[in-house]
Amino acid sequence: EAQVTQNPRYLITVTGKKLTVTCSQNMNHEYMSWYRQDPGLGLRQIYYSMNVEVTDKGDVPEGYKVSRKEKRNFPLILESPSPNQTSLYFCASSPQKVAGVNEQFFGPGTRLTVL
Amino acid sequence: AQKITQTQPGMFVQEKEAVTLDCTYDTSDPSYGLFWYKQPSSGEMIFLIYQGSYDQQNATEGRYSLNFQKARKSANLVISASQLGDSAMYFCAMREGAYTGNQFYFGTGTSLTVIP
Repeated sequence: EAQVTQNPRYLITVTGKKLTVTCSQNMNHEYMSWYRQDPGLGLRQIYYSMNVEVTDKGDVPEGYKVSRKEKRNFPLILESPSPNQTSLYFCASSPQKVAGVNEQFFGPGTRLTVL
Repeated sequence: AQKITQTQPGMFVQEKEAVTLDCTYDTSDPSYGLFWYKQPSSGEMIFLIYQGSYDQQNATEGRYSLNFQKARKSANLVISASQLGDSAMYFCAMREGAYTGNQFYFGTGTSLTVIP
């Protein structure tokens, strides 16, 4: 089954404790992306990657790191989480091409609370 | 300037009626894609429909159609024959092409409630 998986689904942590949210896709997609969703703000892109070893900042990259060492994985790292990073996080993947239907496939989301 | 603007925070529609959700976008890239997603209360993001910037015809998928007006930079979603299960949050999104960096942008969403 084609899917994007994220782990963990729920996480409560404390300020400053490094954490990683994993993301994996089995569709051989080149493009992968991380978003955060906050009430009233919609989804905002944190980082995206167009292929292995290629990553770019989205609209809200501060406080986050990513890496793309393998095509299927795109982990999101919070080196020193702060309460303002409490949010719902989505990972997504899609084919690289812009033309043609290239919908993003979303993971189930990770609800992160930073105390 | 906002890349994607959804001006209707909340909408109500009677069951079996049609409803239009508004979306305007802003880009200088000649190549882009427009998307609509549905997010029910369970939280997952469900892809509904796609329109490419070079597509001549409006996209349709079952009860969903996208009213694409390129000159006005609008991409409204039309849901025909609304059902109770259509009650959800709806997001308009745009992917820009290589000219401007391949980013995705989402609007702030419209909460649709279908009334029996």
